[in-house]
Amino acid sequence: DSGVTQTPKHLITATGQRVTLRCSPRSGDLSVYWYQQSLDQGLQFLIQYYNGEERAKGNILERFSAQQFPDLHSELNLSSLELGDSALYFCASAGQGKVGDYEQYFGPGTRLTVT
Amino acid sequence: EDQVTQSPEALRLQEGESSSLNCSYTVSGLRGLFWYRQDPGKGPEFLFTLYSAGEEKEKERLKATLTKKESFLHITAPKPEDSATYLCAVSPSGGYNKLIFGAGTRLAVHP
Repeated sequence: DSGVTQTPKHLITATGQRVTLRCSPRSGDLSVYWYQQSLDQGLQFLIQYYNGEERAKGNILERFSAQQFPDLHSELNLSSLELGDSALYFCASAGQGKVGDYEQYFGPGTRLTVT
Repeated sequence: EDQVTQSPEALRLQEGESSSLNCSYTVSGLRGLFWYRQDPGKGPEFLFTLYSAGEEKEKERLKATLTKKESFLHITAPKPEDSATYLCAVSPSGGYNKLIFGAGTRLAVHP
């Protein structure tokens, strides 16, 4: 158990809909990262938050957005869903940037199926 | 462009048959190289971080090494429970620690 929690575990929804994925980082970690894993693309970095502020963006679509709240949990919002958005979505957390705090610990993921 | 390539894509071993997985990388500057293990439908499980060429880390039957252009994950006398996908990732320096992953090596260890 990495200490990172994600809900829900599974999500099935229709095209055009909007969903919210939730992540709680390990106790004490300030950074939260979101990744998408699909069969053809592998694990792709989407976005990073550090202590409530957006720090880095990867291949994140404009239909997707995220935020990190004062209690450090994060939410990833996916809107106008398409079939191609079906994937595993992982959240990871890491420490405060000191030496040894670069390791990212991943949650169990949310499997999104768009029908 | 920062890139990670893992080989082989898949590897089948007999129990006790040692082997190595390769991760070659191209990155402008390396903050760290990471190895993860992923079981089907689960989140990646952190194994090792390597920061500089020549560094080695060990954990049970696994040993990770790093050179300036590649990393190896050596598996000594594997057991069926070592079957998983092994992922390599790099964190480019100056990139706020985002990870760039390779496609992984699917390892199957048969009794």
